[in-house]
Amino acid sequence: DTEVTQTPKHLVMGMTNKKSLKCEQHMGHRAMYWYKQKAKKPPELMFVYSYEKLSINESVPSRFSPECPNSSLLNLHLHALQPEDSALYLCASSQASPTYNEQFFGPGTRLTVL
Amino acid sequence: SQQGEEDPQALSIQEGENATMNCSYKTSINNLQWYRQNSGRGLVHLILIRSNEREKHSGRLRVTLDTSKKSSSLLITASRAADTASYFCATDVGRNTPLVFGKGTRLSVIA
Repeated sequence: DTEVTQTPKHLVMGMTNKKSLKCEQHMGHRAMYWYKQKAKKPPELMFVYSYEKLSINESVPSRFSPECPNSSLLNLHLHALQPEDSALYLCASSQASPTYNEQFFGPGTRLTVL
Repeated sequence: SQQGEEDPQALSIQEGENATMNCSYKTSINNLQWYRQNSGRGLVHLILIRSNEREKHSGRLRVTLDTSKKSSSLLITASRAADTASYFCATDVGRNTPLVFGKGTRLSVIA
């Protein structure tokens, strides 16, 4: 299985809502990532988990809260978002290898904040 | 920032032609990768080239890396309409360091 799955595919939420994005992989990868991508822009790294521990947090606002319950799952909890947070949220995974850094991406969750 | 800069930003070619995209970056790197993204979808890894490699092939793809010029090129030969997508280069500086993506080239292949 070389697939990263993300749910939901689309999400519309109000600024007072609490929602969660989910990501799953069964490739035995020990590094997982959240990226944010605005239209016609490159992905921007938000968080990196390595061996279920948060290793990189790119100064993301606290209204985004990542969680890695186990080595196969990665969640992104959303609370009190702003309209400018509307974007495609991509999850990726890779081997936590010293020499190999190919990342496998999920299809993304298209988030709209009203 | 080590962010890559692709050029051109957009490229439109006829089916069967070759497409060349370039990527430049600012700092020393460990690996450089190319990814493809179809509209509004996830990224698909195409090819990885290490800093000590100069050229790599995969099917219709050819990647070159010139570390002295801090640049890379992606050549897609005999393009197809299905190659229509955005192409991003991404660099890392070493073990377990995050990828930094360039701005991307939007390729349109017209049948």
